[in-house]
Amino acid sequence: GAVVSQHPSRVICKSGTSVKIECRSLDFQATTMFWYRQFPKQSLMLMATSNEGSKATYEQGVEKDKFLINHASLTLSTLTVTSAHPEDSSFYICSARGGLAGGRSYNEQFFGPGTRLTVL
Amino acid sequence: GENVEQHPSTLSVQEGDSAVIKCTYSDSASNYFPWYKQELGKGPQLIIDIRSNVGEKKDQRIAVTLNKTAKHFSLHITETQPEDSAVYFCAASKEAGKSTFGDGTTLTVKP
Repeated sequence: GAVVSQHPSRVICKSGTSVKIECRSLDFQATTMFWYRQFPKQSLMLMATSNEGSKATYEQGVEKDKFLINHASLTLSTLTVTSAHPEDSSFYICSARGGLAGGRSYNEQFFGPGTRLTVL
Repeated sequence: GENVEQHPSTLSVQEGDSAVIKCTYSDSASNYFPWYKQELGKGPQLIIDIRSNVGEKKDQRIAVTLNKTAKHFSLHITETQPEDSAVYFCAASKEAGKSTFGDGTTLTVKP
């Protein structure tokens, strides 16, 4: 299957700082990338959908000025948590979806390994 | 919007037994139903998927069945092994749409 990487895997920061998380599709072009947030023992909560070269679409209740998403190329999307606070501590996961190349359909999503953010 | 319900929330089986996890969805337009396995501290991994034009799909010890009329689909794992222990999520989506996930099932396979 397709490979999606995330960096960093774990980050600890002080309250008020900004943190950038990178999501890369390593062996396919991702026309769409998704960013999720997951709390312990809970399901994945979709934060936003980003398409290469256009503005991200945020889910209801997600502050777009706090969670900045950039999808500058077909293999890279970034999520920046601005002015992070302890309540932003969570597991952030990206997923990438490509087109019909390689036998895949538009539906298949491939997830990154996640980034554990801890805000002190 | 789409609503996906998943049952059970926890499942414990003996090694070698079968495990079945069930999901229902609400939007009859959904046509893609993947299953993901998530191990602790890792991202979800696609293990099998099924599209609405197929009723059943099998991949070694894993199978998925879909009943479009009843709007439910199930994951079947046979001959379970301890390494199958993880959280399993079902999801539903329309073509090129975003996925709606179930709440997850924590599967424990006892040696």
